[in-house]
Amino acid sequence: GQSLEQPSEVTAVEGAIVQINCTYQTSGFYGLSWYQQHDGGAPTFLSYNALDGLEETGRFSSFLSRSDSYGYLLLQELQMKDSASYFCAVRDNQGGKLIFGQGTELSVKP
Amino acid sequence: DAGVTQSPTHLIKTRGQHVTLRCSPISGHKSVSWYQQVLGQGPQFIFQYYEKEERGRGNFPDRFSARQFPNYSSELNVNALLLGDSALYLCASSPGGQEQFFGPGTRLTVL
Repeated sequence: GQSLEQPSEVTAVEGAIVQINCTYQTSGFYGLSWYQQHDGGAPTFLSYNALDGLEETGRFSSFLSRSDSYGYLLLQELQMKDSASYFCAVRDNQGGKLIFGQGTELSVKP
Repeated sequence: DAGVTQSPTHLIKTRGQHVTLRCSPISGHKSVSWYQQVLGQGPQFIFQYYEKEERGRGNFPDRFSARQFPNYSSELNVNALLLGDSALYLCASSPGGQEQFFGPGTRLTVL
């Protein structure tokens, strides 16, 4: 089967750093994406890794190790507005099909 | 530039009815995908269309169907609604790359 595993919830304080892990098992792999979703809102794209290594975009970084079927999203200098659900998603073919994990609910405390 | 738009935003139906959800992609995007998101879970892939042709189908029953029009907008149709079809239905468009842009979704409630 196809599955993505990520922690269901994470809590951190403002200004801290948090890492959200994702392991995947899919029939195909064309890249790992991360999306942020606030309550009742649309998922918004954060980052994408097709190759091993670290991608940095402002306060957010994402890492991929294809040999370990593992990736993570790193959020630095946490702000209250970062409280949201974060989803990892695998693109399992050359088309647009994304397979999503169950999501990690991040709570940022003052 | 306008983002992905979806209509209606909310919808209440009863079991056995059918529903049509609509999506307009970002201008210039030729790919549209549909996802179902049940509360507390990640989005699940339903369909992908590119240049008006179906390019992918998820593990959903034949009650679910979709199409894409010449202007790249899309419709998702669900027949014989069940209580379990209650969910947020998301449409995403893409220029063909790895990034998908999601619309605000249609919240469907089946009573």
